[in-house]
Amino acid sequence: NAGVTQTPKFQVLKTGQSMTLQCAQDMNHEYMSWYRQDPGMGLRLIHYSVGAGITDQGEVPNGYNVSRSTTEDFPLRLLSAAPSQTSVYFCASKNSGLATYEQYFGPGTRLTVT
Amino acid sequence: DAKTTQPPSMDCAEGRAANLPCNHSTISGNEYVYWYRQIHSQGPQYIIHGLKNNETNEMASLIITEDRKSSTLILPHATLRDTAVYYCIVRVNTGTASKLTFGTGTRLQVTL
Repeated sequence: NAGVTQTPKFQVLKTGQSMTLQCAQDMNHEYMSWYRQDPGMGLRLIHYSVGAGITDQGEVPNGYNVSRSTTEDFPLRLLSAAPSQTSVYFCASKNSGLATYEQYFGPGTRLTVT
Repeated sequence: DAKTTQPPSMDCAEGRAANLPCNHSTISGNEYVYWYRQIHSQGPQYIIHGLKNNETNEMASLIITEDRKSSTLILPHATLRDTAVYYCIVRVNTGTASKLTFGTGTRLQVTL
C-alpha cells in the first residue's frame, strides 16, 4: 500500500489564483480530512468527509472547497488564493468503525501565496 | 473534546527513557487519550491510545492515572530518530468522524 499520497509537494501561487491540492489513499478508508499547519502551531481541521458524497466543515473552512466523488480521492480546492493561506497542508484518512483508532497522514503540501 | 496541557519542550539523552506528561483534567468518561508525533516537516504519526488501562505497543507505553486526569507517554529507550513534536489529544472515538484537535505539543530533543 502507498498509504496516503499528496500532490504536489510544493506550490507557489500568486494572490487570486486558484488550485487544487490532491489527496489519495489506497486503504479503502471511509474517513478523510484536510488540515493546515502554520509555523509553530498545531494542525487545524479544514474539511472532512465520512464517505463518498459526504463532506462537512472543520475549524477553518473559509476559502476552501472539497468534494468526495470516490472513496480514494479527497481534493482540496483553493478558490482565490490569499497570503493568509500560506501553510503546510496535510491530508489524513481513517477506517470507520469503533475498533479503529489510528489516522494516517500524508507527507504534506507546502503552499506559498505571494 | 477535553483540553490538554503539555510542556512546550523536553530534552532526553539517547538510550534513556523519555517520559512525556499530559494533563487532561476535564476528560470525560468516554474520551480516549491519543498520542501522535510529528518528525520535522512530516505528517503526524499515530503512536498509541488508551481509555483507562495502561497500554504498550512496539513504539511506546501509555500510563494513565487512576482518575484519568493525566497521562504519561514513555519511550523506553529514546534514539535520535525520536526527536519530534509529541501531541497528546483527548477525544471521543465515534468510529466514523474522528476530528483530531492538535495543540502545540511537546518538542522532544534527544541528544547524544
